[in-house]
Amino acid sequence: AQTVTQSQPEMSVQEAETVTLSCTYDTSENNYYLFWYKQPPSRQMILVIRQEAYKQQNATENRFSVNFQKAAKSFSLKISDSQLGDTAMYFCAFVLTQGGSEKLVFGKGTKLTVNP
Amino acid sequence: DGGITQSPKYLFRKEGQNVTLSCEQNLNHDAMYWYRQDPGQGLRLIYYSQIVNDFQKGDIAEGYSVSREKKESFPLTVTSAQKNPTAFYLCASSIGRAAEAFFGQGTRLTVV
Repeated sequence: AQTVTQSQPEMSVQEAETVTLSCTYDTSENNYYLFWYKQPPSRQMILVIRQEAYKQQNATENRFSVNFQKAAKSFSLKISDSQLGDTAMYFCAFVLTQGGSEKLVFGKGTKLTVNP
Repeated sequence: DGGITQSPKYLFRKEGQNVTLSCEQNLNHDAMYWYRQDPGQGLRLIYYSQIVNDFQKGDIAEGYSVSREKKESFPLTVTSAQKNPTAFYLCASSIGRAAEAFFGQGTRLTVV
């Protein structure tokens, strides 16, 4: 079963507009951490934003913010004022506790293209 | 500078040969991970380790092996049992479940 689901394989947005990338996940834990990573064409993975599940306030980092809905197990990423440099693959991830060990699992990613 | 280093960047392997991908970190991180990335598949977990001399299979461990003899190093061996090894491989490390994972620059493995 897919633990992290990103339902949008590809998206595009015009420069300066806003776009939202979707992510749902499955866990029975109450305290966990969620992440969005960006992979530009260089293929270097970069952390975009991080959310702690026990915090009700949505995380924000400059133009990037999340809409965290714990009950719905939803963790979407909103990019405001999109820039050409935002063109990349975006991956949703979280740490899954399984059999006493912790593993970092990723969704399949969303390819975002920002058009001039 | 602290970081995580993968080598080589490109690797070519003949069918039937084993090959080892290197991953070294000087961040003093306990957790280390190996992922395989194929188009449309995202990052799939191969193996992970939380402490020295201990590691667990991920979702696609068949045909791969690892060791964790030192905290800084987590090499991945792609064996001849891996039927489709051509892919991009990423290594990552983290200080813990709440923290950001740091990634290497990846190794592109091609079977020739």
